Amino acid sequence: ILNVEQSPQSLHVQEGDSTNFTCSFPSSNFYALHWYRWETAKSPEALFVMTLNGDEKKKGRISATLNTKEGYSYLYIKGSQPEDSATYLCAFSGGYQKVTFGIGTKLQVIP
Amino acid sequence: GAVVSQHPSWVICKSGTSVKIECRSLDFQATTMFWYRQFPKQSLMLMATSNEGSKATYEQGVEKDKFLINHASLTLSTLTVTSAHPEDSSFYICSAPRKGASLQETQYFGPGTRLLVL
Repeated sequence: ILNVEQSPQSLHVQEGDSTNFTCSFPSSNFYALHWYRWETAKSPEALFVMTLNGDEKKKGRISATLNTKEGYSYLYIKGSQPEDSATYLCAFSGGYQKVTFGIGTKLQVIP
Repeated sequence: GAVVSQHPSWVICKSGTSVKIECRSLDFQATTMFWYRQFPKQSLMLMATSNEGSKATYEQGVEKDKFLINHASLTLSTLTVTSAHPEDSSFYICSAPRKGASLQETQYFGPGTRLLVL
């Protein structure tokens, strides 16, 4: 059983604060690391797919980094807004299109 | 972006009945669809991989006779929970990569189905 861990499991920040959270995953048989944003009652929405060690990706105020050798990825949100409130999932892809998900980090941005 | 729909979004049923959940890719073809289940305070767990035109493959510990999967077309997969019991109450969600997508491409998720078995 592959272990994908996310921390923290929940987080409350004030509007305007920057924040980050972590996803750790197996460092062997790496194909891709996915980040999803999941708002309540909606479909998880893909944020990033990261494949290369040292990858950095950015989408607006959200960015992510990847270290495949040590098995971790960070997601950063700069200047958090209430609309950023969601659960952020990471998923490790180790082959055969199967992905193993972390439990998610639930972010609440307080206005 | 690609859209996956899932129906129904909520279902409450009596113990012993069967429930069918549909997963449709609306604007792309999917030869493979994945079915996940999420219990409270746990991560999404892969139950089975649905393959168009062939049998589904089930993860260890998932009963194939209880969770029937049919993938009859390139845009539709169904999961039937047969003889549902209260312990089957959970959140079920499907996802699909685009047809021909590599391992490194994203999957597109439905919004999920919450099942409550009384």
